[in-house]
Amino acid sequence: GAGVSQSPSNKVTEKGKDVELRCDPISGHTALYWYRQSLGQGLEFLIYFQGNSAPDKSGLPSDRFSAERTGGSVSTLTIQRTQQEDSAVYLCASSKGGSYNEQFFGPGTRLTVL
Amino acid sequence: AQSVTQLDSQVPVFEEAPVELRCNYSSSVSVYLFWYVQYPNQGLQLLLKYLSGSTLVKGINGFEAEFNKSQTSFHLRKPSVHISDTAEYFCAVSDRTGGGNKLTFGTGTQLKVEL
Repeated sequence: GAGVSQSPSNKVTEKGKDVELRCDPISGHTALYWYRQSLGQGLEFLIYFQGNSAPDKSGLPSDRFSAERTGGSVSTLTIQRTQQEDSAVYLCASSKGGSYNEQFFGPGTRLTVL
Repeated sequence: AQSVTQLDSQVPVFEEAPVELRCNYSSSVSVYLFWYVQYPNQGLQLLLKYLSGSTLVKGINGFEAEFNKSQTSFHLRKPSVHISDTAEYFCAVSDRTGGGNKLTFGTGTQLKVEL
């Protein structure tokens, strides 16, 4: 079946603009995660959705970052007033939920803020 | 809170030689342990995981890892590497007590296999 998909694959934006990154998880997966991969910080957890529970936002670096998950499926990560330090690869993953289940990762969106 | 340390940022090795990629972790709670691989220009893929039971776990592509609780380590090994194993390898942990399965990653080890 289809894996996790993300769009766009690449996004170049100007400092101060807002961007939206999209994630389509594997069908039937109840858990969805966003991570950020950057040269300076490695792989960092951003936010986690599990079913209808309130999301775990503990990894979001600032209030310019937000995410939503509509209908328990597609998720959008929004970054407002982008800064150069936001440049990174944003990875989405999904799983069946639970701490032991494998997370399946998408190919990522490479964000470049000029 | 958890942290993961991968001391070796790069490991060069000749084809058919054995390799060990080191991973140590720190956590105030019990954790599950994972190794992920990222091939050039591709997404992360699970190699293997330790949940419970036997401390030696086997994964895909001939890799294995051993959980050592006393040393808080989860080193990855392969007895004979191939050119196609060239990739970046990430060790990760998640909170066993129900912290939502968010993964805490190490900084990664770049394995470069040479002829």
